[in-house]
Formats: sequence, C-alpha cells, structure tokens
Amino acid sequence: DTAVSQTPKYLVTQMGNDKSIKCEQNLGHDTMYWYKQDSKKFLKIMFSYNNKELIINETVPNRFSPKSPDKAHLNLHINSLELGDSAVYFCASSQARTNTGELFFGEGSRLTVL
Amino acid sequence: SQQGEEDPQALSIQEGENATMNCSYKTSINNLQWYRQNSGRGLVHLILIRSNEREKHSGRLRVTLDTSKKSSSLLITASRAADTASYFCAPPQGAQKLVFGQGTRLTINP
Repeated sequence: DTAVSQTPKYLVTQMGNDKSIKCEQNLGHDTMYWYKQDSKKFLKIMFSYNNKELIINETVPNRFSPKSPDKAHLNLHINSLELGDSAVYFCASSQARTNTGELFFGEGSRLTVL
Repeated sequence: SQQGEEDPQALSIQEGENATMNCSYKTSINNLQWYRQNSGRGLVHLILIRSNEREKHSGRLRVTLDTSKKSSSLLITASRAADTASYFCAPPQGAQKLVFGQGTRLTINP
C-alpha cells in the first residue's frame, strides 16, 4: 500500500493553463506538505497544513493555491502556469508538526510547462 | 535564514569503498535529518540526530554532528550499487520546517 500517493505522476501543459495535483496519505498523519524540486535538485518547501489548517506559507506566487479537504488530502492548484513552474512537486506528510517529525514523501509529480 | 549545504555535490566511488558526505548549516538546531533520493523517486528518511548527540549509527550508516562547527557528516560503509542515490541533509528552520539543499549525488561503480 502506497503511504503517500500523488497524481498525476507526469503533467505536460501549455503556458497559461490551470492544473491541479492531488495528494493523499494513508498514514494517519496530521501534517502534510508541498515541496518543489527544481532542475538543480534544490528542494524548497511551499506549504504545510496541520489538520486542515495552513501553518506554513512560503513566498510562493498566489497562483499556487493549496487545498486540504481533510487531513488525509492536500491538493495543489496552479493558475496561469508559467515556464518557471516546470519542476517536480513532492507531497509529504509527518505525524508531528514540529521539526523532529520524519517526513514521508510521495513519488513526485513532474510538471512541464511548454 | 537556515540553509543546508551538502558537499561534495557529486561523489563517485567503487563498490565496497566508504562514502562520506558533509553538510553545513547556518543557524543553531535541535536536530538534523538525512534523506536519500533514488533517481525519479521521492525522498526517504534515513536518520535523525539530535543536538545533544555527536554520533549515531544505523546499519551501514554513521552520522556525526558538530554543533560548534554547524556541520554534519554521513558515512556509508562498504558501499553497494544500491546506495547510488542523492543524499540530502535537512536542518530545521524554526519549530516546524525542514530546509533541504541540493544534495550530494553519490554513484557507486561496480
């Protein structure tokens, strides 16, 4: 059973389009995250939710909007896609909302904006 | 702000040799985590070392932490082809966030 699952795994789209990436975790964790990994492999946190409450919101364009319908799901919607949005987006979850919590990552969603 | 920097950026060794990767960070921490990322996959947690620990072992992994130098190292002994991956340190920033760098890309040659 996949602990943290993301869909789709690959997404190719045109500039200006709107797209969503979905994430679900079956670990019973309270905290979920979105990370962005660029072409140089830098991994940067974007958002974090704890029990459906937004607790971390990094300096991310407001074209990116996370939504957590329940604590097992954290989706990422991106409006008006730009070339620079091309990256791999990782969802993660942890039991603790503190920095000692082990993160469990999904397999990533590779977004390519043409 | 916090930043984790791994060194070297890339490392290539022969199977059976030991691999050492280093991590430096900027601000004081209460713990530091290491993760592995296989190509095309998500990150997997390897080990967490707390600020009051100088060394920690897990199987073939040995992690050290020197808080006075704001540095950590990850040693993989008797490397195997399956150890080929990128390795990331993750120092925390604040109470809730882990900061990742670029990772060390480790290649084990048969």
